[in-house]
Amino acid sequence: EDKVVQSPLSLVVHEGDTVTLNCSYEVTNFRSLLWYKQEKKAPTFLFMLTSSGIEKKSGRLSSILDKKELSSILNITATQTGDSAIYLCAPNAGGTSYGKLTFGQGTILTVHP
Amino acid sequence: EPEVTQTPSHQVTQMGQEVILRCVPISNHLYFYWYRQILGQKVEFLVSFYNNEISEKSEIFDDQFSVERPDGSNFTLKIRSTKLEDSAMYFCASSALEAFFGQGTRLTVV
Repeated sequence: EDKVVQSPLSLVVHEGDTVTLNCSYEVTNFRSLLWYKQEKKAPTFLFMLTSSGIEKKSGRLSSILDKKELSSILNITATQTGDSAIYLCAPNAGGTSYGKLTFGQGTILTVHP
Repeated sequence: EPEVTQTPSHQVTQMGQEVILRCVPISNHLYFYWYRQILGQKVEFLVSFYNNEISEKSEIFDDQFSVERPDGSNFTLKIRSTKLEDSAMYFCASSALEAFFGQGTRLTVV
C-alpha cells in the first residue's frame, strides 16, 4: 500500500522565521512528487519534482527531492502570515494515470505576526 | 489564468438521492480526476479519466459512482444513491503535467 508521511504535523512560527517541512514516501511506480498549499478549499500547486537533488525555487519557497532517501523537503524563508496554510505532499504514483496523487496528511503551518 | 471550475460550491442532499457534481477542466488538459476530502482527513484519489474512459480508480470508487464527459467541456461525477458517509469535499482536477484543482463542491448528505 502506498504511504506518505509528513512531518511535523503542525508548526507555529513567527513572521520572518524559516521553516522546513518534510515528506517521506513509499509508493510504487513513482513518477514525481508534488507540493500543494491548501488554505480554505482547493490545494494550489507549488512544485513538481522529478529529479533528485535539483532544487526548485519560487520566491521564498524552495523544494528538493531525494529519490534515494524517498523524501522531499519544502523550505519557506522569511515566513509571512499569508504562508499560514496546510502544506500537502503528494507523490504521483503513476500507474496508468499521469496525475494519480497519493496525499500525505499535511503539515499545518501557522505564522504569527 | 486558466482554472478548473466546479459547480455547485455546496450541495445538500437526502440519503438515497442521486447527485451530480460538475466540473469544467482547463481547456487544453487531457487528464481529469476526482478526489474527495472527508472533513479532517487526507485528500483521497477517486478516479482518473483519459481519452473518454476511466484510466484508474480507487477502491472508494464503487458501483455507486460514475463519471462522464458529456460534451467537450464538462466532466461530471455522479453518485447514484448517496450515503451519509459520502459527505465530503469533492475536488475535480485536470492536468497536462501537474494537476490543478478546482475549488471543490461540499456535499452534505442528511
